[in-house]
Amino acid sequence: GAVVSQHPSWVICKSGTSVKIECRSLDFQATTMFWYRQFPKQSLMLMATSNEGSKATYEQGVEKDKFLINHASLTLSTLTVTSAHPEDSSFYICSARWDRGYEQYFGPGTRLTVT
Amino acid sequence: GDSVTQMEGPVTLSEEAFLTINCTYTATGYPSLFWYVQYPGEGLQLLLKATKADDKGSNKGFEATYRKETTSFHLEKGSVQVSDSAVYFCALSDVLGGGADGLTFGKGTHLIIQP
Repeated sequence: GAVVSQHPSWVICKSGTSVKIECRSLDFQATTMFWYRQFPKQSLMLMATSNEGSKATYEQGVEKDKFLINHASLTLSTLTVTSAHPEDSSFYICSARWDRGYEQYFGPGTRLTVT
Repeated sequence: GDSVTQMEGPVTLSEEAFLTINCTYTATGYPSLFWYVQYPGEGLQLLLKATKADDKGSNKGFEATYRKETTSFHLEKGSVQVSDSAVYFCALSDVLGGGADGLTFGKGTHLIIQP
């Protein structure tokens, strides 16, 4: 099946700094990528949908100025957590899809810890 | 809004036991339903899906039937193996009902199979 990678797999940063997480589709072109957030023992919550070449669509309650999403190419989307705070500590998962109606392929996730 | 409720774990079974993981949903429209599996250290993988009422999804010995009358999509397997140990997520997509383009997930059920 198709492979999606995330980098880094885990990151620790200090409060107030920014951190960037990359999501790459390794063997297919993804017109759409999704970003999810997962708290311990909780569901994956959809944060935003990004389509290549256009602005991301954020879900209600997700601060677009805090979670900057860029989908600059058909194989790369980035999530930047700006001015991170301890409450942003979470597991961030991306998925990629070739086109509407096709399966989403998930990355392994990135563990963010803000100290 | 859309939601998915699934039984919480961990669920511990002996090898060759019968498995049922319950999943019920709430959606505005007529959603597509999915089961994803996450093995340790890996990304979510699609296990099976059903797109309309009475459809049965099946894969690797797992089955689930889309029951519109009970809004359920329970996962079953007749004889589990140690290699089935993983976290299982029930999910829905309700784009036609006005939902997000991404997936709405349940909290996940951790399945542990003992030899």
